[in-house]
Amino acid sequence: DAGITQSPRHKVTETGTPVTLRCHQTENHRYMYWYRQDPGHGLRLIHYSYGVKDTDKGEVSDGYSVSRSKTEDFLLTLESATSSQTSVYFCAISQGLAGVGQETQYFGPGTRLLVL
Amino acid sequence: AQSVTQPDIHITVSEGASLELRCNYSYGATPYLFWYVQSPGQGLQLLLKYFSGDTLVQGIKGFEAEFKRSQSSFNLRKPSVHWSDAAEYFCAVGVRGGSQGNLIFGKGTKLSVKP
Repeated sequence: DAGITQSPRHKVTETGTPVTLRCHQTENHRYMYWYRQDPGHGLRLIHYSYGVKDTDKGEVSDGYSVSRSKTEDFLLTLESATSSQTSVYFCAISQGLAGVGQETQYFGPGTRLLVL
Repeated sequence: AQSVTQPDIHITVSEGASLELRCNYSYGATPYLFWYVQSPGQGLQLLLKYFSGDTLVQGIKGFEAEFKRSQSSFNLRKPSVHWSDAAEYFCAVGVRGGSQGNLIFGKGTKLSVKP
């Protein structure tokens, strides 16, 4: 299994509270991604990073920001959590040798977030 | 717009029976295609992928998939299902560029296995 950890694994928070999720990898992969998984929607891309300090928006980026100051860490921040952001969040990584979308992505174990 | 359709939300098969999970995609260029499996409470694990070459692709756990360009399909098959195959299966297409750049996932097919 790819060396990907996510923290925390579970979190309950209140509406309006800032929340930061962390993804840490030990594979030295260049690309990192954040997805959310919701019933009936599959997985949808929030943001991705193609290098340190290089990030771009995905399909559902509103209300989320990301930062990547080191190769191994990719942070997802909900500036002011809302109930619609209750979801399971997955981090993924890929080597970054081919173009985005052209290589295998490996997924972390996920973080369950409940916003009350 | 690019999309992936998995027509079956839930399938139940008997242990030992054959399995086929359907996946259709919409993408104008040559697709990069993936099947992932997710057990309850777990992350996604790659089963197999198609990038080019032989259109019949072998994966882990005895799964295979066939790319049919004319039908825009990438169906997943297994000749004999085991109880441990009960999980949710996701088909994905790799796209290049734009806000959907990366993987576009289908909504998943949940597989139940009867003893």
